[in-house]
Amino acid sequence: EVQLVESGGGLVQPGGSLRLSCAASGFTFSDYWMHWVRQAPGKGLVWVSRMNIDGTTTTYADSVKGRFTISRDNAKSALYLQMNSLRVDDTAVYYCVRSAAIGNDYWGQGTLVTVSS
Amino acid sequence: EVVLTQSPGTLSLSPGERATLSCRASQSVSSNSLDWYQHKPGQAPRLLIYGASTRATGIPDRFSGSGSGTDFTLTISRLEPEDFAVYYCQHYSISPTFGGGTKVEIK
Repeated sequence: EVQLVESGGGLVQPGGSLRLSCAASGFTFSDYWMHWVRQAPGKGLVWVSRMNIDGTTTTYADSVKGRFTISRDNAKSALYLQMNSLRVDDTAVYYCVRSAAIGNDYWGQGTLVTVSS
Repeated sequence: EVVLTQSPGTLSLSPGERATLSCRASQSVSSNSLDWYQHKPGQAPRLLIYGASTRATGIPDRFSGSGSGTDFTLTISRLEPEDFAVYYCQHYSISPTFGGGTKVEIK
């Protein structure tokens, strides 16, 4: 069974940092592109970042470029999102998402990041 | 960047009724890159339709997708109680984008 389990969310002050993790299981992690998608309270889904299978290609939404860094460890079947210079509008549930040729077919349950003073 | 506009924002319908959701792109996109997702509160989003018209694994045949170019449609032929949720279209590209969502609520 495919599972994606996010962790690392929490309360952080504006300007602070957090590192999100996503533990993948039930599939060959190194065969898939991976994404982070977020949803602010009461708002819609917003794509954040993606990484290719070997970590050599990354893309970011303009809103997080220069502040967030996506990475992966295929040996550990893990995806990460390092978030620096956090802002109040980064408050959201962050989802780890597997990307297949048939679409984003598996999503984690999400981890809540709250940026507040 | 392609902007996706979904309409209506909210659809109030009764179980058994037909739901028609629209997703309009700001420029023509490949049908291969247009997907639909269902999202319920407290749950992970679920892939419904990929490539504009192909149902994902395990998705009931009451869900169907159609369209091309700039206009795409998700149709739920007969609403079941579990179908009341928010639906998003997504364009998959170098910088993927989501539409703003359509909430299907019980009338």
